[in-house]
Amino acid sequence: EAQVTQNPRYLITVTGKKLTVTCSQNMNHEYMSWYRQDPGLGLRQIYYSMNVEVTDKGDVPEGYKVSRKEKRNFPLILESPSPNQTSLYFCASSSTPRNSGANVLTFGAGSRLTVL
Amino acid sequence: GQSLEQPSEVTAVEGAIVQINCTYQTSGFYGLSWYQQHDGGAPTFLSYNALDGLEETGRFSSFLSRSDSYGYLLLQELQMKDSASYFCAVSDPGGSYIPTFGRGTSLIVHP
Repeated sequence: EAQVTQNPRYLITVTGKKLTVTCSQNMNHEYMSWYRQDPGLGLRQIYYSMNVEVTDKGDVPEGYKVSRKEKRNFPLILESPSPNQTSLYFCASSSTPRNSGANVLTFGAGSRLTVL
Repeated sequence: GQSLEQPSEVTAVEGAIVQINCTYQTSGFYGLSWYQQHDGGAPTFLSYNALDGLEETGRFSSFLSRSDSYGYLLLQELQMKDSASYFCAVSDPGGSYIPTFGRGTSLIVHP
Protein backbone atom coordinates (compact mmCIF):
# COMPACT_ATOMS: atom_id res chain seq x y z
CA GLU A 1 0.00 0.00 0.00
CA ALA A 2 1.32 3.45 -0.96
CA GLN A 3 1.80 5.43 2.20
CA VAL A 4 3.75 7.89 4.30
CA THR A 5 4.62 6.52 7.73
CA GLN A 6 5.46 8.73 10.67
CA ASN A 7 6.68 7.72 14.11
CA PRO A 8 5.95 8.25 16.88
CA ARG A 9 2.27 9.10 16.56
CA TYR A 10 2.17 10.54 20.07
CA LEU A 11 4.99 11.80 22.23
CA ILE A 12 5.23 13.70 25.48
CA THR A 13 8.68 14.99 26.28
CA VAL A 14 10.40 17.64 28.37
CA THR A 15 12.12 20.86 27.40
CA GLY A 16 15.60 20.35 26.02
CA LYS A 17 15.46 16.61 25.43
CA LYS A 18 16.43 15.96 21.81
CA LEU A 19 13.94 14.02 19.75
CA THR A 20 13.49 12.79 16.20
CA VAL A 21 10.26 12.21 14.35
CA THR A 22 10.80 9.77 11.53
CA CYS A 23 9.06 9.87 8.17
CA SER A 24 9.25 7.28 5.45
CA GLN A 25 7.47 6.95 2.10
CA ASN A 26 7.29 3.97 -0.23
CA MET A 27 6.20 5.76 -3.41
CA ASN A 28 9.63 6.80 -4.70
CA HIS A 29 8.57 10.44 -4.41
CA GLU A 30 11.15 13.16 -4.99
CA TYR A 31 9.48 15.79 -2.80
CA MET A 32 9.07 15.53 0.93
CA SER A 33 8.04 18.16 3.44
CA TRP A 34 7.15 18.75 7.05
CA TYR A 35 4.24 20.83 8.30
CA ARG A 36 3.05 21.76 11.73
CA GLN A 37 -0.60 22.36 12.45
CA ASP A 38 -1.81 24.61 15.24
CA PRO A 39 -5.40 25.72 15.94
CA GLY A 40 -6.37 28.67 13.78
CA LEU A 41 -3.05 28.70 11.95
CA GLY A 42 -3.57 25.95 9.42
CA LEU A 43 -0.67 23.97 8.04
CA ARG A 44 2.65 25.78 8.13
CA GLN A 45 5.63 24.42 6.27
CA ILE A 46 8.74 23.77 8.34
CA TYR A 47 11.22 22.31 5.86
CA TYR A 48 11.03 20.69 2.48
CA SER A 49 13.26 18.59 0.29
CA MET A 50 13.27 18.37 -3.47
CA ASN A 51 15.46 15.29 -3.56
CA VAL A 52 18.26 13.46 -1.77
CA GLU A 53 20.71 15.85 -0.08
CA VAL A 54 18.56 18.86 -1.11
CA THR A 55 16.67 20.56 1.72
CA ASP A 56 15.36 24.06 2.25
CA LYS A 57 13.60 26.10 4.87
CA GLY A 58 9.87 26.61 4.83
CA ASP A 59 7.97 29.29 6.69
CA VAL A 60 8.71 28.24 10.28
CA PRO A 61 12.10 26.45 10.40
CA GLU A 62 13.41 27.84 13.70
CA GLY A 63 14.18 25.11 16.22
CA TYR A 64 14.07 22.28 13.68
CA LYS A 65 16.53 20.36 11.56
CA VAL A 66 16.03 17.86 8.78
CA SER A 67 18.12 15.56 6.65
CA ARG A 68 17.53 13.68 3.41
CA LYS A 69 20.21 11.02 3.10
CA GLU A 70 17.92 8.55 1.37
CA LYS A 71 15.03 9.21 -0.95
CA ARG A 72 12.48 7.44 1.19
CA ASN A 73 13.32 9.02 4.58
CA PHE A 74 12.99 12.58 5.84
CA PRO A 75 13.38 12.78 9.63
CA LEU A 76 12.51 15.90 11.60
CA ILE A 77 14.90 16.67 14.44
CA LEU A 78 14.20 18.88 17.43
CA GLU A 79 17.60 19.43 19.03
CA SER A 80 16.29 21.23 22.11
CA PRO A 81 12.50 21.15 22.16
CA SER A 82 10.59 23.98 23.80
CA PRO A 83 6.92 24.21 24.81
CA ASN A 84 6.10 26.40 21.78
CA GLN A 85 6.91 23.39 19.63
CA THR A 86 3.95 21.53 21.07
CA SER A 87 1.95 20.84 17.95
CA LEU A 88 0.60 18.31 15.49
CA TYR A 89 3.21 17.48 12.85
CA PHE A 90 2.60 16.10 9.40
CA CYS A 91 5.06 14.68 6.94
CA ALA A 92 4.04 14.64 3.29
CA SER A 93 5.49 13.51 -0.01
CA SER A 94 4.77 14.03 -3.69
CA SER A 95 6.20 13.36 -7.10
CA THR A 96 7.52 15.99 -9.49
CA PRO A 97 4.62 17.77 -11.20
CA ARG A 98 4.42 17.21 -14.92
CA ASN A 99 2.81 19.41 -17.58
CA SER A 100 1.01 21.76 -15.18
CA GLY A 101 -0.25 18.77 -13.26
CA ALA A 102 -0.99 18.88 -9.58
CA ASN A 103 1.69 18.46 -6.98
CA VAL A 104 -0.48 16.09 -4.96
CA LEU A 105 0.71 15.65 -1.41
CA THR A 106 0.25 12.35 0.39
CA PHE A 107 0.28 12.96 4.13
CA GLY A 108 1.31 10.76 6.99
CA ALA A 109 -1.14 10.19 9.84
CA GLY A 110 0.43 12.90 11.99
CA SER A 111 2.56 13.03 15.12
CA ARG A 112 1.16 14.80 18.15
CA LEU A 113 4.03 16.22 20.18
CA THR A 114 3.73 17.75 23.64
CA VAL A 115 6.74 19.49 25.18
CA LEU A 116 6.46 20.13 28.90
CA GLY B 1 6.15 35.23 -0.14
CA GLN B 2 2.72 33.77 -0.29
CA SER B 3 -0.51 34.44 1.60
CA LEU B 4 -3.92 32.85 1.30
CA GLU B 5 -7.22 33.98 2.74
CA GLN B 6 -10.24 31.78 3.32
CA PRO B 7 -13.16 32.04 5.75
CA SER B 8 -12.55 30.42 9.11
CA GLU B 9 -15.95 28.75 9.33
CA VAL B 10 -18.95 27.98 7.13
CA THR B 11 -22.17 26.30 8.20
CA ALA B 12 -24.83 24.70 6.01
CA VAL B 13 -27.60 22.14 6.14
CA GLU B 14 -27.65 18.67 4.69
CA GLY B 15 -28.53 18.63 1.01
CA ALA B 16 -27.53 22.25 0.44
CA ILE B 17 -24.75 23.72 -1.69
CA VAL B 18 -21.86 25.58 -0.11
CA GLN B 19 -18.99 27.58 -1.60
CA ILE B 20 -15.66 28.09 0.17
CA ASN B 21 -13.65 30.98 -1.25
CA CYS B 22 -9.91 31.41 -1.36
CA THR B 23 -7.91 34.44 -2.40
CA TYR B 24 -4.17 34.33 -2.69
CA GLN B 25 -1.11 36.48 -3.16
CA THR B 26 1.99 34.80 -4.49
CA SER B 27 5.19 35.82 -6.17
CA GLY B 28 4.72 32.98 -8.62
CA PHE B 29 1.79 30.70 -9.36
CA TYR B 30 1.64 27.13 -10.58
CA GLY B 31 -1.72 25.87 -9.37
CA LEU B 32 -4.38 25.93 -6.67
CA SER B 33 -5.24 22.79 -4.75
CA TRP B 34 -7.89 21.87 -2.21
CA TYR B 35 -7.50 19.44 0.65
CA GLN B 36 -9.99 17.99 3.12
CA GLN B 37 -9.18 17.12 6.70
CA HIS B 38 -11.51 15.41 9.13
CA ASP B 39 -10.98 15.85 12.84
CA GLY B 40 -8.02 13.79 13.98
CA GLY B 41 -7.12 12.80 10.44
CA ALA B 42 -4.56 13.69 7.81
CA PRO B 43 -5.32 16.11 4.97
CA THR B 44 -6.32 14.40 1.75
CA PHE B 45 -6.22 15.83 -1.76
CA LEU B 46 -9.55 16.86 -3.29
CA SER B 47 -8.95 18.82 -6.48
CA TYR B 48 -6.58 21.01 -8.42
CA ASN B 49 -6.76 23.90 -10.90
CA ALA B 50 -3.87 25.12 -12.97
CA LEU B 51 -5.98 26.91 -15.58
CA ASP B 52 -8.98 29.20 -15.30
CA GLY B 53 -12.35 27.57 -15.07
CA LEU B 54 -14.25 24.87 -13.28
CA GLU B 55 -13.05 21.35 -12.51
CA GLU B 56 -15.73 18.88 -11.43
CA THR B 57 -15.20 15.72 -9.42
CA GLY B 58 -18.48 14.18 -8.37
CA ARG B 59 -20.22 16.37 -5.79
CA PHE B 60 -17.18 18.63 -5.51
CA SER B 61 -16.10 21.29 -7.99
CA SER B 62 -13.25 23.75 -7.89
CA PHE B 63 -12.93 27.02 -9.74
CA LEU B 64 -9.97 29.25 -10.51
CA SER B 65 -9.57 32.77 -11.84
CA ARG B 66 -5.89 33.54 -12.15
CA SER B 67 -6.48 37.17 -13.13
CA ASP B 68 -8.40 37.68 -9.86
CA SER B 69 -6.08 35.47 -7.77
CA TYR B 70 -9.22 33.75 -6.59
CA GLY B 71 -10.66 30.30 -6.41
CA TYR B 72 -13.43 28.44 -4.70
CA LEU B 73 -14.49 24.96 -3.74
CA LEU B 74 -18.14 24.11 -4.34
CA LEU B 75 -19.72 21.26 -2.46
CA GLN B 76 -23.12 20.07 -3.62
CA GLU B 77 -25.72 17.80 -2.02
CA LEU B 78 -24.02 18.23 1.31
CA GLN B 79 -23.81 15.22 3.59
CA MET B 80 -23.01 15.04 7.29
CA LYS B 81 -19.72 13.36 6.45
CA ASP B 82 -18.64 16.52 4.60
CA SER B 83 -18.18 18.23 7.98
CA ALA B 84 -14.44 18.79 7.98
CA SER B 85 -11.79 21.44 7.45
CA TYR B 86 -10.99 22.48 3.90
CA PHE B 87 -7.68 24.01 2.92
CA CYS B 88 -6.72 25.81 -0.23
CA ALA B 89 -3.06 25.61 -1.16
CA VAL B 90 -0.94 27.37 -3.74
CA SER B 91 2.03 25.88 -5.54
CA ASP B 92 4.74 28.31 -6.51
CA PRO B 93 7.55 27.34 -8.91
CA GLY B 94 9.83 29.56 -6.86
CA GLY B 95 9.00 27.43 -3.83
CA SER B 96 9.80 24.13 -5.54
CA TYR B 97 6.08 23.52 -6.26
CA ILE B 98 5.40 22.25 -2.77
CA PRO B 99 2.04 23.71 -1.70
CA THR B 100 1.66 26.49 0.85
CA PHE B 101 -1.62 26.20 2.73
CA GLY B 102 -4.26 28.65 3.87
CA ARG B 103 -5.52 28.55 7.46
CA GLY B 104 -8.44 26.35 6.57
CA THR B 105 -12.22 26.63 6.62
CA SER B 106 -14.20 24.58 9.09
CA LEU B 107 -17.40 23.35 7.40
CA ILE B 108 -20.18 22.34 9.74
CA VAL B 109 -23.09 20.50 8.17
CA HIS B 110 -26.32 20.43 10.18
CA PRO B 111 -29.13 17.91 9.74
